Amino acid sequence: AQKVTQAQTEISVVEKEDVTLDCVYETRDTTYYLFWYKQPPSGELVFLIRRNSFDEQNEISGRYSWNFQKSTSSFNFTITASQVVDSAVYFCALSEARNNAGNMLTFGGGTRLMVKP
Amino acid sequence: ETGVTQTPRHLVMGMTNKKSLKCEQHLGHNAMYWYKQSAKKPLELMFVYNFKEQTENNSVPSRFSPECPNSSHLFLHLHTLQPEDSALYLCASSQEAGGSTDTQYFGPGTRLTVL
Repeated sequence: AQKVTQAQTEISVVEKEDVTLDCVYETRDTTYYLFWYKQPPSGELVFLIRRNSFDEQNEISGRYSWNFQKSTSSFNFTITASQVVDSAVYFCALSEARNNAGNMLTFGGGTRLMVKP
Repeated sequence: ETGVTQTPRHLVMGMTNKKSLKCEQHLGHNAMYWYKQSAKKPLELMFVYNFKEQTENNSVPSRFSPECPNSSHLFLHLHTLQPEDSALYLCASSQEAGGSTDTQYFGPGTRLTVL
C-alpha cells in the first residue's frame, strides 16, 4: 500500500528565511509519480510540480526547488527567501501508474507554513 | 472561464435535505474526481470517473451519489447526510486515464456544513 508522510504539521518562519518541507513516501511500485500541491486559505489545491520515479534530477523554479532522492524515498520542497504569500498548507502526494482508471493520488497530511512579516 | 469550477462555494444543509454539488472543468480532460477534506484528516478520494464511467468508489456511503453526464461535468448528490459529513469537497480533473502525463487539477471546493 502507498503511504505519504509529512512529519512537519506546522512550520513558522520569518519573511526572507529559507524553509524546507519534508516528504517521505512508501510504495512497492517501480513506476510512480510524486507531486506537490499548495492550498492557500481560499481552499483550492494549486499544482506545483510532478516528478516521475525515473527522473531524480533536482528542479528549480524561481524561489522553489525540489530534491528527489530515491535512496531515502524522499521528495523535499524548499522555498528560498520566503514571502508572506507563501503562507499555505502544502501537500505532497504519490500516485501509481494505472491503466484506464485515472491517476490515484495518495496525499500526505499536509504541512501548514506560516510566513510572518 | 478556465480551469475547474465548483458551485456552490458554501452550503449549509439539514440532515433531511437533498442537495447537489456541481463541478465543471474547462480543460478538455477526460477524468474527474471527488475528494473529501475533513479537519485533521488527509484528503480522501471518493469517486473517479473516466470517460463518463465510474472507475472507483472508495467505500463511500450511499448517501453520496455521484453523476457524470459528460466529461466536463461532475455532480455529487447529497441526501440524509450526517454532521460528520461536514467537510470541504474538492473536485479535480486530469487529462489522461492513468497516463504518464496525468496531473490532477483541482477546483476551489465546496465548504459543506451539515446541521
